[in-house]
Amino acid sequence: QVQLQESGPGLVKPSETLSLSCTVSGDSITNFYWSWIRQPAGKELEWIGRVFSSGNTDYNPSLKSRVTMSVDTSKNQFSLKLNSVTAADTAVYYCARGPGAGTPLDSWGQGTLVTVSS
Amino acid sequence: QAGLTQPPSVSKGLRQTATLTCTGNSDNVGNQGAAWLQQHQGHPPKLLSYRNNNRPSGISERFSASRSGNTASLTIAGLQPEDEADYYCSAWDFSLGAWVFGGGTKLTVL
Repeated sequence: QVQLQESGPGLVKPSETLSLSCTVSGDSITNFYWSWIRQPAGKELEWIGRVFSSGNTDYNPSLKSRVTMSVDTSKNQFSLKLNSVTAADTAVYYCARGPGAGTPLDSWGQGTLVTVSS
Repeated sequence: QAGLTQPPSVSKGLRQTATLTCTGNSDNVGNQGAAWLQQHQGHPPKLLSYRNNNRPSGISERFSASRSGNTASLTIAGLQPEDEADYYCSAWDFSLGAWVFGGGTKLTVL
C-alpha cells in the first residue's frame, strides 16, 4: 500500500518561496501522476497541480505563474515550489497520487501546515 | 471559488439515508463522472468512490455513487455516527485542464 509523507518548512516569510517535498513509499513513483493540494483552515480543497514521473506537469491556471513541480525518481520523491507567497497561501498542503487517466487522487499524505508570516 | 457546486450542509438522523449532490458541467462531471472524498476534522481526505461508483477496497457498500447528466450524487445508507464528516466531490475539467473540487458538504448525523 502506497504511503506519502510531506516535509518542509512550516513557516515561510511573505514574498519568499515555499518549498515542500513528498516521499513515496510502498510503491514506485514511476508511471504515475503525483499532485499537490492545499486547504486553508476551515476552507475547501484546492488542486495546485500534478507532475508525471517523466517530469511532465499540469498546473492550476490560477496558480500557474507561481508554481513549479518536479520529480526525483532516484529518491522516490516529488516536490513543490510556490514563489512570491502571501498570507493567502497559508494552508495545509497535501501530496497525493493521481489523478491519471480515469483515476482520481487515490492516496493522500497526512498533510503539513505551512504558515506565511514575517 | 470551487469549480463544482455542493450544498454546504446536510443533516440526517442515525440509520437514515443521506444523498449528497455535486453539480458541474459537460467539461467535468458530465464527461467522466466524479470522485468522492470523505474528510474527518484534522485528517486528510479519503477516497470513497470514483468514476461514479467504483469503490476502493475497504470502503463500505453503504456508500454508493451515481451520475445523471452533469450532476453526481453520493448516497450513504444506514447513517452511523462515524459518517459525520465533510464530503468533497472532484473531477478532471477538460476545459481548464485541471482537477477541480466542490466546496464540500458537511454531513451531520443527528
